[in-house]
Amino acid sequence: EPEVTQTPSHQVTQMGQEVILRCVPISNHLYFYWYRQILGQKVEFLVSFYNNEISEKSEIFDDQFSVERPDGSNFTLKIRSTKLEDSAMYFCASSLLLSNSPLHFGNGTRLTVT
Amino acid sequence: GENVEQHPSTLSVQEGDSAVIKCTYSDSASNYFPWYKQELGKRPQLIIDIRSNVGEKKDQRIAVTLNKTAKHFSLHITETQPEDSAVYFCAASGSYQLTFGKGTKLSVIP
Repeated sequence: EPEVTQTPSHQVTQMGQEVILRCVPISNHLYFYWYRQILGQKVEFLVSFYNNEISEKSEIFDDQFSVERPDGSNFTLKIRSTKLEDSAMYFCASSLLLSNSPLHFGNGTRLTVT
Repeated sequence: GENVEQHPSTLSVQEGDSAVIKCTYSDSASNYFPWYKQELGKRPQLIIDIRSNVGEKKDQRIAVTLNKTAKHFSLHITETQPEDSAVYFCAASGSYQLTFGKGTKLSVIP
């Protein structure tokens, strides 16, 4: 079964540094997402991406964040000037269709900001 | 925006008993309601989903019911097994984003 893959699995960075989290969505999926889960809490929506542009974003997704699809397979989340509170598990997901279509999550990147 | 409430936050059952987790949502436009199982340190995995044109769906020991009028939906697990122990999240979607509940930590006691 095809999977969403994410790299790295763990990322440790110092406060103020920039990080890029990488994802390879399932190849025939059209919609891509980033979600965040702070330890022990619920999964929170960050952003959705379709047709090379952001389709929706949450209040969490401020100017510190950006997403990009640099080529035909990768989907990246960039966090500029990281803060301690950015420490979380970041999940990439993809879906074939919009709305009532199953989301397939990657294994996540655990980001630790020190 | 959508708000999803989930209860209970923790649930302990004896092996073989049933477990029920309930969620309510606020946006009447939501039309897709998946349930995810998350084991410690792992990704959420879809276990069952239901769309708003259906009132009930079953897959072996797992069933989900949806009451659109009351805006609530429930997950039922029968004949629970120790491997069912995990955190379960409900979610609701009407557009580009899934809104998750806060999760239920299910413990199945052998």
